[in-house]
Amino acid sequence: QQPVQSPQAVILREGEDAVINCSSSKALYSVHWYRQKHGEAPVFLMILLKGGEQKGHDKISASFNEKKQQSSLYLTASQLSYSGTYFCGISSPDTGKLIFGQGTTLQVKP
Amino acid sequence: EAGVAQSPRYKIIEKRQSVAFWCNPISGHATLYWYQQILGQGPKLLIQFQNNGVVDDSQLPKDRFSAERLKGVDSTLKIQPAKLEDSAVYLCASSFKGLAAREQFFGPGTRLTVL
Repeated sequence: QQPVQSPQAVILREGEDAVINCSSSKALYSVHWYRQKHGEAPVFLMILLKGGEQKGHDKISASFNEKKQQSSLYLTASQLSYSGTYFCGISSPDTGKLIFGQGTTLQVKP
Repeated sequence: EAGVAQSPRYKIIEKRQSVAFWCNPISGHATLYWYQQILGQGPKLLIQFQNNGVVDDSQLPKDRFSAERLKGVDSTLKIQPAKLEDSAVYLCASSFKGLAAREQFFGPGTRLTVL
């Protein structure tokens, strides 16, 4: 079952914050977050595991809510380089098979 | 460390023709994935290999798509015959192990256009 991401698109000014949500109809084991720039391959951002804590690096962090079956990606004080499409992927615990959401397009303007 | 290599980067073919894509994963990565990404959508897994064995090919259209990873290293994905709806970017990814806690590293992809 494909996870649902919201919003579908976000436009920000540099320095503003954004939140991207990823919801699943099934119990979550792990959530992967990737960013893809136009014409490029997806680049890994972070993994959150069931029972794990909120993760982050630099000004990008994410949380994992088992009860809500949801993960959220937080982008703080956005930079132009944050522009791209963000995908969450939910993973099965045994094979690592990822099912990706439809993506959230983020555009950061000067 | 070299990344995931794919070739060709672009391919244009007529419908009903055949095409093959090649992928060389990161050295030491046992798990290799082929994804299809249609414009505006997230990547969709076609097939997953663990070494040279298939772990998951449930979404591979087996009447026209085939893939192999004979020596557990590089892999080839073939489409024969191609249909218009096969136009997409084909991404190869690899990970150290096929586990939920392991990140996947993606190659640059092959953009296929079927006319």
